[in-house]
Amino acid sequence: EAQVTQNPRYLITVTGKKLTVTCSQNMNHEYMSWYRQDPGLGLRQIYYSMNVEVTDKGDVPEGYKVSRKEKRNFPLILESPSPNQTSLYFCASSLPALNEQFFGPGTRLTVL
Amino acid sequence: QKEVEQNSGPLSVPEGAIASLNCTYSDRGSQSFFWYRQYSGKSPELIMFIYSNGDKEDGRFTAQLNKASQYVSLLIRDSQPSDSATYLCAVQPDNYGQNFVFGPGTRLSVLP
Repeated sequence: EAQVTQNPRYLITVTGKKLTVTCSQNMNHEYMSWYRQDPGLGLRQIYYSMNVEVTDKGDVPEGYKVSRKEKRNFPLILESPSPNQTSLYFCASSLPALNEQFFGPGTRLTVL
Repeated sequence: QKEVEQNSGPLSVPEGAIASLNCTYSDRGSQSFFWYRQYSGKSPELIMFIYSNGDKEDGRFTAQLNKASQYVSLLIRDSQPSDSATYLCAVQPDNYGQNFVFGPGTRLSVLP
């Protein structure tokens, strides 16, 4: 089954404790993105990647890191999480020129 | 700062009526426009995309784009209770990158 998977789906952590949210897709998509979704603000793009070792900042990159060492994986790293990073996070992937993004199931993160 | 605005709703329509969802964007150079549907607790899924001025129809859905007015809309004909969801408007500022700007979404409720 073609899909985007995220792990974990739910995470409660404390301020300053480094964490990684994994994202993997099995559709051989070149493009991958990370978004956060907050009430009233909609989806905001954090980072995106157009290929292996090619990443770029979205609209809200502060406090986040990403890497793209393999085509299928695009992990999101929070080096020192803070409460304002409490949010619902979505990973998405797509093929070049098609622009239909396929979203993962989401990761609900709470930072205390 | 590129912005995409939508009326947050809720927009309530009776079953069988036409639902009209609107979206305005600030970046006049934006090239591509997307409508996503998001059911409560689920991830967004693409309904339609439109690149050129005018109308684009797909089944019960019609997307309308007016670049001069920086306005894109989605019409849902013969609305069904299963259409009840949040509809997200997304804008891609240029066709070569993967930067997407989403609006906050409009919550639609179709009443039986």
